[in-house]
Amino acid sequence: DQQVKQNSPSLSVQEGRISILNCDYTNSMFDYFLWYKKYPAEGPTFLISISSIKDKNEDGRFTVFLNKSAKHLSLHIVPSQPGDSAVYFCAASGGSQGNLIFGKGTKLSVKP
Amino acid sequence: DAGVTQSPTHLIKTRGQQVTLRCSPKSGHDTVSWYQQALGQGPQFIFQYYEEEERQRGNFPDRFSGHQFPNYSSELNVNALLLGDSALYLCASSLGALRGTGELFFGEGSRLTVL
Repeated sequence: DQQVKQNSPSLSVQEGRISILNCDYTNSMFDYFLWYKKYPAEGPTFLISISSIKDKNEDGRFTVFLNKSAKHLSLHIVPSQPGDSAVYFCAASGGSQGNLIFGKGTKLSVKP
Repeated sequence: DAGVTQSPTHLIKTRGQQVTLRCSPKSGHDTVSWYQQALGQGPQFIFQYYEEEERQRGNFPDRFSGHQFPNYSSELNVNALLLGDSALYLCASSLGALRGTGELFFGEGSRLTVL
């Protein structure tokens, strides 16, 4: 039973355009959401997070949007750069769960 | 400032054997969590150690056990290895236990192959 779902295994975007990565969750107790980026042969690295009391958080080229009623969040990367090519994981925590629940990831390819 | 370090990076075992993986947390961190990432999947939480005690555990059998030492480093032990235990094992450190509101710092992982 997947509590965090990333339904797009891959996404290809042209350099300079916007990348939008989507994530859905089922557990209404989740109150904190994070995005991690993973390059091959490296561990995941933290990218950006959002608390459930907010609906948007921005950090440079990266913005995360949270729609609690739809149990949906998205990560926007503008403008996309070839160095952004990686696997992006959505993660959530909350309630009695202090650990993070990860989605399966979306592989982003940004083409020059 | 050393990040999270894990050893070994790769190892091959046969079914029924036992394996020990090691992790040193990022300097200043006191909490270590272990995750298993199977091929094509996201990381799955195994357990978390804080103050040398297992504080939380995911849905993993008792064959998976761990330990945290006074210097905050940690070990993950897996007994009676199964083919399905083949995965990337990630160690993550943080400051403070339980609440997932702080970012986790991950190591590069230990790639375990069970034949």
